[in-house]
This record gives sequence, structure tokens and C-alpha cells, in this order.
Amino acid sequence: GQQVMQIPQYQHVQEGEDFTTYCNSSTTLSNIQWYKQRPGGHPVFLIQLVKSGEVKKQKRLTFQFGEAKKNSSLHITATQTTDVGTYFCAALNQAGTALIFGKGTTLSVSS
Amino acid sequence: DAGVTQSPTHLIKTRGQHVTLRCSPISGHKSVSWYQQVLGQGPQFIFQYYEKEERGRGNFPDRFSARQFPNYSSELNVNALLLGDSALYLCASSQLAGASQPQHFGDGTRLSIL
Repeated sequence: GQQVMQIPQYQHVQEGEDFTTYCNSSTTLSNIQWYKQRPGGHPVFLIQLVKSGEVKKQKRLTFQFGEAKKNSSLHITATQTTDVGTYFCAALNQAGTALIFGKGTTLSVSS
Repeated sequence: DAGVTQSPTHLIKTRGQHVTLRCSPISGHKSVSWYQQVLGQGPQFIFQYYEKEERGRGNFPDRFSARQFPNYSSELNVNALLLGDSALYLCASSQLAGASQPQHFGDGTRLSIL
């Protein structure tokens, strides 16, 4: 079945360092969504990318959708302790009825 | 406005029992989806309901069923519980059918099977 692969599974950084997580699919995606889940919390929607090569920024977060629409990345500049959590990418299933989530990248930040 | 609300927050059951989980979507949202999240994994799609009709079903056994009520709230039922059903069950709502728009998740129900 359709899958999205995320790497790395875990990442630890010092506060102020940059962080990047990657999402890959073997099939062309219609769109990609990114969610953040804090420890003990629920997934919170961050952004949706639809167009090939699209780049969107939210303050220190930069989201990219690959030209072939098979991969995406989330880059955080100058991480802060508030960035701690698990970041999930999610792609639409073929029927358009559900999100297929990756396994997530768990980010820890030490000050 | 209130977000997605789920009840109960925690539940402990034994193998073979059944359970009913409840979800109230954000006001104005007509679509409700259910996801299962096992520790260390991403959420896995179970069902989507829109206007009281099932619009999508994930790869889960028939022990799992759901319904949506006229006020758009929803219930997830699981029969003959297995140890492997232990997970966080998340409900998500959106205004329209389908998942091509932001999904608003509730805090979930943490189900433990003994």
C-alpha cells in the first residue's frame, strides 16, 4: 500500500542549531501535510503543500515540496526548546479520504 | 470556540470486552475521521464519516465500527478487544469531506487492554 517514509527517526540538537526532516514516497503525491505532536499531545496541523517545487515559510520553519512531488522537507532554523516534539508528514490516500502518516521525526533540543 | 472533544480520556479494558469512544467535532465541521496511534508510530486511518455516511475505511478488522449522528458527533466501537488494540485513538474533524484540508485533532482516548 501507499507509504511515506520519514528520516531521521530521532534527532537531538543544541538550542540554536538547525534541524531538517525528510519525507519520501515512491509514488507521486497530490499534496503533503505536516503536523507537529508535542509529547503527550495530539497532532497539530502546520501546513499543506500542493504545487510542484512549492516552498512555504512560517517564521523559522521552511517547508518544501519536491519538483516530482515525491518528497518533502521541513527545515527549522535556530531551534528553540519550544520546537521539541514529533514532526509528521502525511499524504492523501488514493481515494482522497484519509491521510497516510509517516512514522515521524522526534526532535529533542537541549539548552 | 471549543476544539474537538473526545471522551473518555483514558480507559482500561480486558481482552474480549468491547469499548465505545466518543467524539464531538468543532462546531460547523461535518466530517469526522478516526485514527489509531500506537506508541512510536504515526496515526493510522480507521474511518471517515461525512454527513452520517461512511466515506472511507482503513485496513482494520470488522471488530471496528463507527457511526456519525445528526449533530455530527461520532462514536467508534471496538468489539472483542485484543492486546494489540492498546493505543491512542484520535478523532479529527474538518469542514468538508475528504482529507485534502487541515485535520483538527482531539486530545484522544488512551485505551489500555489488560
